[in-house]
Amino acid sequence: EPEVTQTPSHQVTQMGQEVILRCVPISNHLYFYWYRQILGQKVEFLVSFYNNEISEKSEIFDDQFSVERPDGSNFTLKIRSTKLEDSAMYFCASSESWLAGGPRDIEQFFGPGTRLTVL
Amino acid sequence: KNQVEQSPQSLIILEGKNCTLQCNYTVSPFSNLRWYKQDTGRGPVSLTIMTFSENTKSNGRYTATLDADTKQSSLHITASQLSDSASYICVVSGGYNKLIFGAGTRLAVHP
Repeated sequence: EPEVTQTPSHQVTQMGQEVILRCVPISNHLYFYWYRQILGQKVEFLVSFYNNEISEKSEIFDDQFSVERPDGSNFTLKIRSTKLEDSAMYFCASSESWLAGGPRDIEQFFGPGTRLTVL
Repeated sequence: KNQVEQSPQSLIILEGKNCTLQCNYTVSPFSNLRWYKQDTGRGPVSLTIMTFSENTKSNGRYTATLDADTKQSSLHITASQLSDSASYICVVSGGYNKLIFGAGTRLAVHP
């Protein structure tokens, strides 16, 4: 069964450093997302991406963050100058179409997450 | 403000018993409501998706209901199993691609 994969599973970095979190979405999916979940808190939407452009982003997704699809399979989240409060699980997700507004329910598939620890 | 509230925060039940989890939302515009199961340290896995016009949807031992008038949903789990121990998250779509997550109900099924 196809699945979303993420690497690394755990990333430890020093405050102020840049990190790149990597995701391989399901191959025929066209819509990609990043979410984060601070320990013990709810999952929060960061950004959605389609056709090599950001389609929607939350207030959390400021200039510190960027996303890229560098090739036909990878989808990355870059965090510049990490802060202590960036420590969280980061989930990548993908779907074959928009999640709402279409003629049928579209399922969104999540990856296993990358645990980012900023020291 | 778009919000999704879930109750209870946590729940302990014995194996084989049924339980019902609640979700209230104040999301506008509303597109659909999803229930996810999240095992500790893993990504959420979709259980059900319901649009405005759907009142109930089942997936095996999981049955979700939706009352769009009162903006309430419930997830009923029948004949619980130890593997049902997880967080159950109610998620409402407030736009084309923006999902608003509840804090989840942490369910523990004991033998």
